Amino acid sequence: ETGVTQTPRHLVMGMTNKKSLKCEQHLGHNAMYWYKQSAKKPLELMFVYSLEERVENNSVPSRFSPECPNSSHLFLHLHTLQPEDSALYLCASSQDMTSGVYEQYFGPGTRLTVT
Amino acid sequence: AQSVTQPDIHITVSEGASLELRCNYSYGATPYLFWYVQSPGQGLQLLLKYFSGDTLVQGIKGFEAEFKRSQSSFNLRKPSVHWSDAAEYFCAVAGGATNKLIFGTGTLLAVQP
Repeated sequence: ETGVTQTPRHLVMGMTNKKSLKCEQHLGHNAMYWYKQSAKKPLELMFVYSLEERVENNSVPSRFSPECPNSSHLFLHLHTLQPEDSALYLCASSQDMTSGVYEQYFGPGTRLTVT
Repeated sequence: AQSVTQPDIHITVSEGASLELRCNYSYGATPYLFWYVQSPGQGLQLLLKYFSGDTLVQGIKGFEAEFKRSQSSFNLRKPSVHWSDAAEYFCAVAGGATNKLIFGTGTLLAVQP
């Protein structure tokens, strides 16, 4: 595997389900990001992890819970979601931002549908 | 506050024609600017970036962009468009302590044969 991978690519879940999205980067980066892409809205940053520590939570509801067990893996745990949470969830990684600004590399995304 | 504006929601060009996609940014300090492309059902692919130095930057797939500080613009250009360039294009500015990207709303490019 190369670059940034995300699984599953598609997910349909009911509002009472619990599921998790997985992201893995194979680039040797130390920072990882979750973005939400909804129709007709700009991409929204959700969370930022730097060296496995959460450094930004962009006012995301608690039904979204991120986890970064190591610098290569990032999870987004989902529970009690709402239909408006249906979107494409994108993961990205970059070199650690404490030493400068770096470009982010994105995965293919998970298309989430909440029924 | 930082922001990015892409004034054109949808553009159609003929194959072989030149292309310019507009991007304007608002950012208090030196901007770090990016163009990404997204094909249907895919993630975002980095086309090019501007951090400093030469204001005309070259990217992949024959794209280039010019940074104009006086106009707060970072327009993307390609001299001859191919059918495979049909996709959505996003301009972004990076900033803040967490390197977060602020995206524009995107420009959807259609290419006519």
